[in-house]
Amino acid sequence: EVHLVESGGGLVQPGGSLRLSCTVSGFIFRDYWMTWVRQAPGKGLELMANISPDGSDKYYVDSAKGRFTISRDNAKNSLFLQMNSLRVEDTAVYYCVRHGPYRFERWGQGTLVTVSS
Amino acid sequence: DIVMTQTPLSSPVTLGQPASLSCRSSQSLVHSDGNTYLSWLQQRPGQPPRLLFYKISNRFSGVPDRFSVSGAGTDFTLRISRVEAEDVGVYYCMQGTQFPWTFGQGTKVEIK
Repeated sequence: EVHLVESGGGLVQPGGSLRLSCTVSGFIFRDYWMTWVRQAPGKGLELMANISPDGSDKYYVDSAKGRFTISRDNAKNSLFLQMNSLRVEDTAVYYCVRHGPYRFERWGQGTLVTVSS
Repeated sequence: DIVMTQTPLSSPVTLGQPASLSCRSSQSLVHSDGNTYLSWLQQRPGQPPRLLFYKISNRFSGVPDRFSVSGAGTDFTLRISRVEAEDVGVYYCMQGTQFPWTFGQGTKVEIK
């Protein structure tokens, strides 16, 4: 069975940093594109960054460029999101998502990031 | 970026009655390979999203057959033939044709 488990969320002050992790099981991690999607409280879904199976290709939405870094460790079946210079508007649940062809196929339960002073 | 617009934003439905949710894209979702990469996701209260359909009408694993999808090009519809209590939640359409993949704002299905 496919599992994706996020961790690393919490309360951080504006300007601070957090590193999110996603540990997966039940599939061959190194074969899949992976994405971080966030959802602000009561709001919709927003793709933030994605990464190719070998980690060589990465994509960021404009609001993440220069502040967030996506990475992966295929030997440890883990996906990461390093978030720096956090803003109040980054407050959201962050989901780790496994791709299928041109679709978001499997989702973790999410980890809540709260940016507040 | 492709803008996805869903209507209505809220759909109060009587149990056992049908529901129809619409999704429109700002440009055609037909990919250069000829496929249309339109997906539907369901998010029940307090849960992460779950894939229901991909490439317009391909049903993902475990999706009941009371759900169906139609459409082409820029206009798509998700139908629930008889709404059950477990169908309450927010439904999102999403396009995977052009990066960045984008979502609609969601339609909330609730019981009258």
